[in-house]
Amino acid sequence: QKEVEQNSGPLSVPEGAIASLNCTYSDRGSQSFFWYRQYSGKSPELIMFIYSNGDKEDGRFTAQLNKASQYVSLLIRDSQPSDSATYLCAVKHPTGNQFYFGTGTSLTVIP
Amino acid sequence: DVKVTQSSRYLVKRTGEKVFLECVQDMDHENMFWYRQDPGLGLRLIYFSYDVKMKEKGDIPEGYSVSREKKERFSLILESASTNQTSMYLCASTVGGHEETQYFGPGTRLLVL
Repeated sequence: QKEVEQNSGPLSVPEGAIASLNCTYSDRGSQSFFWYRQYSGKSPELIMFIYSNGDKEDGRFTAQLNKASQYVSLLIRDSQPSDSATYLCAVKHPTGNQFYFGTGTSLTVIP
Repeated sequence: DVKVTQSSRYLVKRTGEKVFLECVQDMDHENMFWYRQDPGLGLRLIYFSYDVKMKEKGDIPEGYSVSREKKERFSLILESASTNQTSMYLCASTVGGHEETQYFGPGTRLLVL
């Protein structure tokens, strides 16, 4: 079983819609969760992190964490064509320094 | 702003060559990481370092070694490059503490012929 799993997509949404990206993780002791965006040919850039159960909002982005279900998601409201990218979910090892990444979900926002 | 730089954006090497990839961060971060990224496989950790001269193997260390002689610099070495090491190599460093956010360099796309 992989440490972090994401649906690879591709996910397509029309401009202005809500995009929902999902991630599950296997280590119940994990405490820190991250969402990165990666444009083609570029390196990942952090969108947001979340540590506590519930929702965390930053502009058009909302991260949701449910530790009981070992599930973290990212919602993008009012999706724009510039949001078209691959989104990576990352989970930090609960006791060590390693981070585990999902394989990413490809999102396309259609104008 | 945190800045992580990598010595080359693109490299072409021949099988059997020794290859050096360098990464420098300017924010006094304790932890530094080397990943490779391949289509369908995501980011895989090769090695990481939590202090000068300290290193730990990641998930795929075979065929690689690392060096961290100074806190700001973390080098990845391909002892004898092979075609299956053709990949995108990404360096990252972390702030440390509670946040632990990873900041990535621009990446080096390596082609081994």
